[in-house]
Amino acid sequence: GQQVMQIPQYQHVQEGEDFTTYCNSSTTLSNIQWYKQRPGGHPVFLIQLVKSGEVKKQKRLTFQFGEAKKNSSLHITATQTTDVGTYFCAGRGSQGNLIFGKGTKLSVKP
Amino acid sequence: NAGVTQTPKFRVLKTGQSMTLLCAQDMNHEYMYWYRQDPGMGLRLIHYSVGEGTTAKGEVPDGYNVSRLKKQNFLLGLESAAPSQTSVYFCASSSGTHTDTQYFGPGTRLTVL
Repeated sequence: GQQVMQIPQYQHVQEGEDFTTYCNSSTTLSNIQWYKQRPGGHPVFLIQLVKSGEVKKQKRLTFQFGEAKKNSSLHITATQTTDVGTYFCAGRGSQGNLIFGKGTKLSVKP
Repeated sequence: NAGVTQTPKFRVLKTGQSMTLLCAQDMNHEYMYWYRQDPGMGLRLIHYSVGEGTTAKGEVPDGYNVSRLKKQNFLLGLESAAPSQTSVYFCASSSGTHTDTQYFGPGTRLTVL
């Protein structure tokens, strides 16, 4: 079945350093969504990318969708302690459901 | 608007006991989902519903049943709980298609002894 792979599984950074998580699909995606889950919380929608090569920014967060629509990335510039959490990508599966990656858990050392 | 709510927040069961988790949404969403989240496994879809009276199996449906008798409610049942069902369960809803934004509830932490 369709899989969405996400790397790395964990990332520990010093506050102020940059952070990137990558998402790869075995098949072409119609779109991809990114969610953030704070420790002890629930996933919260961040953004959706639809077009090939699309780049969107939210303050220090930059999201990219690959030209082939099989991969995506989330880059955070100058991390802050408020960025702590697990970041999930999710792509549309063959049943039409969202297939979530396993997430990247980000910890930020002050 | 409360968004998506889940009841209960925590529960401890003994092996073989049954229980029902309730999910309610006040956004008039058509689609509702039940996920389980285990360490290192991400979010795995258990069952979903595309409208009142409909249900469908997701990635890990075994040991669970669901019902969607009312549009705003989606129930997840465990008939005979097993330790492997110890997990955090999240309900989510979306407006019209599978790829719409999903809104998640706060989760239910279930422990099966």
